[in-house]
Amino acid sequence: GAVVSQHPSRVICKSGTSVKIECRSLDFQATTMFWYRQFPKKSLMLMATSNEGSKATYEQGVEKDKFLINHASLTLSTLTVTSAHPEDSSFYICSARDGDYIHRQETQYFGPGTRLLVL
Amino acid sequence: AQKITQTQPGMFVQEKEAVTLDCTYDTSDPSYGLFWYKQPSSGEMIFLIYQGSYDQQNATEGRYSLNFQKARKSANLVISASQLGDSAMYFCAMREGYSGAGSYQLTFGKGTKLSVIP
Repeated sequence: GAVVSQHPSRVICKSGTSVKIECRSLDFQATTMFWYRQFPKKSLMLMATSNEGSKATYEQGVEKDKFLINHASLTLSTLTVTSAHPEDSSFYICSARDGDYIHRQETQYFGPGTRLLVL
Repeated sequence: AQKITQTQPGMFVQEKEAVTLDCTYDTSDPSYGLFWYKQPSSGEMIFLIYQGSYDQQNATEGRYSLNFQKARKSANLVISASQLGDSAMYFCAMREGYSGAGSYQLTFGKGTKLSVIP
């Protein structure tokens, strides 16, 4: 299967600092990447859809100025949590769409996630 | 209304036995895809199996099979010969619309925690 990496895997920061999380598709080109947030023992909540070369589409209730998304290339998308606060502490996970037009599978492959703790 | 419903918060299964994880979905789109993902305690989401709405046969991938009943809008995951390493959260997800047309977004269910007992 396709491989997606995410860095860092874990980060602890002070309140008020900004944190950048990288998501890379290693062996395929991902025109679309997705950013999710997951609280403990909860399901994944889609934050935004990121298309290469264009602005991200944010889900309702997600602050675009708080969570900056950049998808500068077909293999890299970044999520920057600006001026992080303790309530931003969560598990952030990205996925990349591997468009399989022959089988119409359109499977999303996920990165290993980033655990953010804001003190 | 929830688009993906997983009614089993937790399930137990004896090692080497088969287990079925339930998933029902709700959509008016004739074109959709159904996915199952496994999330171990490490947090990574591992893709297991896919079923397209127009696929005639149930999907199978090794020990995983998807019991697709379109009229009942159910897409249950069957894991045969359970192993201790199967203990994890399992999420059912749906994508509505085909590539190039509809959204590529996935809608996830709340998940089922599977525990395999030695």
